[in-house]
Parts: sequence; C-alpha cells; structure tokens
Amino acid sequence: AQSVTQLDSQVPVFEEAPVELRCNYSSSVSVYLFWYVQYPNQGLQLLLKYLSGSTLVKGINGFEAEFNKSQTSFHLRKPSVHISDTAEYFCAVSDGGYGGSQGNLIFGKGTKLSVKP
Amino acid sequence: NAGVTQTPKFRILKIGQSMTLQCTQDMNHNYMYWYRQDPGMGLKLIYYSVGAGITDKGEVPNGYNVSRSTTEDFPLRLELAAPSQTSVYFCASSPTGVVADTIYFGEGSWLTVV
Repeated sequence: AQSVTQLDSQVPVFEEAPVELRCNYSSSVSVYLFWYVQYPNQGLQLLLKYLSGSTLVKGINGFEAEFNKSQTSFHLRKPSVHISDTAEYFCAVSDGGYGGSQGNLIFGKGTKLSVKP
Repeated sequence: NAGVTQTPKFRILKIGQSMTLQCTQDMNHNYMYWYRQDPGMGLKLIYYSVGAGITDKGEVPNGYNVSRSTTEDFPLRLELAAPSQTSVYFCASSPTGVVADTIYFGEGSWLTVV
C-alpha cells in the first residue's frame, strides 16, 4: 500500500526567504510523485510531477522538487517566496493512475504555507 | 476555457436530506472523479468513471451514488445526508486514467450537514 507523509502541517516564512516543504512516501511499486497547490476557496492546481528521468523536477511559479529514492522523499523548494505563494500544498503519490485499475492517487494531509511581509 | 465546472459552490443541508452535486467538463475527457477533502486531510476518492455508462467505487463510496449518462456530466448524489458528509467535494477529469496525463480539478463544493 502507498502512503504519503507531509512532515509539517504549517510553515510560516517571511517574504523573499527560501522555503522547503517536506514530503516522504511509502510504496512497494513504481512511484509517480506530484505536488499540488490549493489557493483559498479554489481547486487543486498541479505544480509539478515526477514520472521518470531527471530527479530534479521544475514546476510552475519557480518551484522545484527533488526525487530521492534512497530517502523516499520528494521535497518541494523555492529559493525566494512571495506573498502570493500563501496557499496549501499537497504532496501525492501514484502507482500509475488516478483511480481504479490503472492505479491510485494518494494525497498527503497538506502543508499550509503562510508568507508574511 | 471552462474546464471542470461544479455547482453549487456552497450548500447547507439538514440531516436526512438529499442533494446532487453537479459536475460538467468540456474537455471531452473519458475519466471523471469525485473526491472529498475533510479538514486537515488530503483528498480521498469517492467514485470514478472511465466513460459514459461506466462507474466504479473509490476509497470512500458509502452514502453516495453517481451516474455517467454523457461524457460531459458526472453528478454525485448524497442520500440521507449525515454530519460525517460535511466536507469539500472536488470533481476532476483526465483524458485517460494514467499519470502521464494531467488531471484537472474543479473549484470545489463546500457542503455542511447540520
């Protein structure tokens, strides 16, 4: 069975500071990893995903994540955050699909990033 | 671009009432999904559909029903609402069910059962 652990429920940070949101996963099969962002009262938007290839994945809005198989981690980073990055961030793992016979998408509990001026 | 559209955005139900959450996508996607998001938790899959006329249960289907009569529409019905169904509901769609494709989420429907 797959699972995802987001180690921090809340991360406060000052504007222009770097940030790392931590994510660890557990899976006995091939993994595909995702980060989604949810702005207040909105749906989820894909930030980036790792399917294969380079372990450093670049996404939208200046975010990047690194897949570390030995540490079973997929931490999200941004070198300098803006007020507009204030949102909730979800890490997710899949064994191939989004639901059903293709595989399942399992979400972590989320990390609320609060960027202060 | 409309994408995935959900209605209503907000709803308060009394215990025992029933209602339908509507979901429409205009991207001609075969796969559609309903998730729920409880406070402090990640999304959990309620039901999914691989095409018109075909639906199947996800992780938390109890208390819900779905239908898929057209490619575009995937309504979620709550029968005999209970306080445990207070949650945010997200509809989503993808061209196929595999992760090589992107899944698109609606903006959510906030449901409170009192």
